[in-house]
Amino acid sequence: EVQLAQSGAEVKKPGESLKISCKASGYTFTTYWIGWVRQLPGKGLEWMGIIYPGDSDTRYSPSFQGQVTISADRSISTTFLQWSSLKASDTAMYYCIRKPDSKNWFDPWGQGTLVTVSS
Amino acid sequence: QSALTQPASVSGSPGQSITISCTGTSSDIGGYNFVSWYQQHPGKAPKLMIYDVSNRPSGVSNRFSGSKSGNTASLTISGLQAEDEADYYCSSYRINSTPWVFGGGTKLTVL
Repeated sequence: EVQLAQSGAEVKKPGESLKISCKASGYTFTTYWIGWVRQLPGKGLEWMGIIYPGDSDTRYSPSFQGQVTISADRSISTTFLQWSSLKASDTAMYYCIRKPDSKNWFDPWGQGTLVTVSS
Repeated sequence: QSALTQPASVSGSPGQSITISCTGTSSDIGGYNFVSWYQQHPGKAPKLMIYDVSNRPSGVSNRFSGSKSGNTASLTISGLQAEDEADYYCSSYRINSTPWVFGGGTKLTVL
């Protein structure tokens, strides 16, 4: 069974750094894209960026370029989303998603990681 | 402001059919058959329901169907059931921009 297992909820202070993870299982990690989607509290979905673990090709939404970094570790089939300096406005649920190469849908989705940034 | 426009809410009674629209532009929905739909129950992760405008993944009920006309895609749910009550999001590939965009979401209430 294909699964994306995300790391647990985080509570951080403004200015702190954070790295959350998404571990893939049940398929060949290097042959699918893994992306990240943000959902602000009570709001809709926003596509953040995506990485192809096979060659580390990474694309970002202009809205998130320079704000976050997406990376992957093939040895542990895990993709990461990181911030160097969190803001209160980063408080949201973050989902990782799998995308087949050359296709335009996302399946499955991870269970989500809730990030709360508060002083 | 979301890239794709969906109605904020729709409702229907059990057994009825409802349609949720998703309007974009010629740069996304109108230009490509790459529309997908996702169902999100409260507190849960979204789930793929329709891909490439009208295709259902294995395991998704045939009560769910998708279509497209011009710059507008639609999701139709027939034979409404209580379990269909959820938020629904459309998504499309978009050229010369963020490769994929979402709609603002539609809350479906089963009366």
